[in-house]
Amino acid sequence: AQKITQTQPGMFVQEKEAVTLDCTYDTSDQSYGLFWYKQPSSGEMIFLIYQGSYDEQNATEGRYSLNFQKARKSANLVISASQLGDSAMYFCAIDGYNKLIFGAGTRLAVHP
Amino acid sequence: DVKVTQSSRYLVKRTGEKVFLECVQDMDHENMFWYRQDPGLGLRLIYFSYDVKMKEKGDIPEGYSVSREKKERFSLILESASTNQTSMYLCASSFRYDREGDQPQHFGDGTRLSIL
Repeated sequence: AQKITQTQPGMFVQEKEAVTLDCTYDTSDQSYGLFWYKQPSSGEMIFLIYQGSYDEQNATEGRYSLNFQKARKSANLVISASQLGDSAMYFCAIDGYNKLIFGAGTRLAVHP
Repeated sequence: DVKVTQSSRYLVKRTGEKVFLECVQDMDHENMFWYRQDPGLGLRLIYFSYDVKMKEKGDIPEGYSVSREKKERFSLILESASTNQTSMYLCASSFRYDREGDQPQHFGDGTRLSIL
């Protein structure tokens, strides 16, 4: 069975600094995908970034990048130059044949 | 832009009532999903559907049923609502896995359901 572990219930960061949100996963599949979502207090889930298990380069999307270490089974999200609007819950998820398995999430607070 | 629309943002019902949560997507996605979200537990999959009239149980299907009569619409039904079904419910949709590999799921805004 696949599993996602996010060990940081909450994190805070100063505005304009970088922050890393941890995610480790467990899977027996050879091919899989990892996703990060952001959930602001308004409730909607916003897709941020995707990493395929066979992708040789770490994924990047604007200020978001994914530090993918396959041997360690980790897929940490790095947010550079944090903004106040980045304050939200962040969820890591792994793709399991058309289904997503989510972690418990990390609440990020960005302080001015 | 992908649009996933849930019929209600907030809903209050009484125990024993039959409750319908509706979800519509406009991107011709094959897959549709219903999750519930509770603090500290993340999102848990209730049911999903990969085609019209097809449905698969997720991790917590007990007390729920679903209906997918049309490709764009996926309904979640609480047959006899109970207080432990008070939660945030999120609908999502995506293309099928075998279309260009992994596909992100796109979510609606969620329905906060309270059962009194």
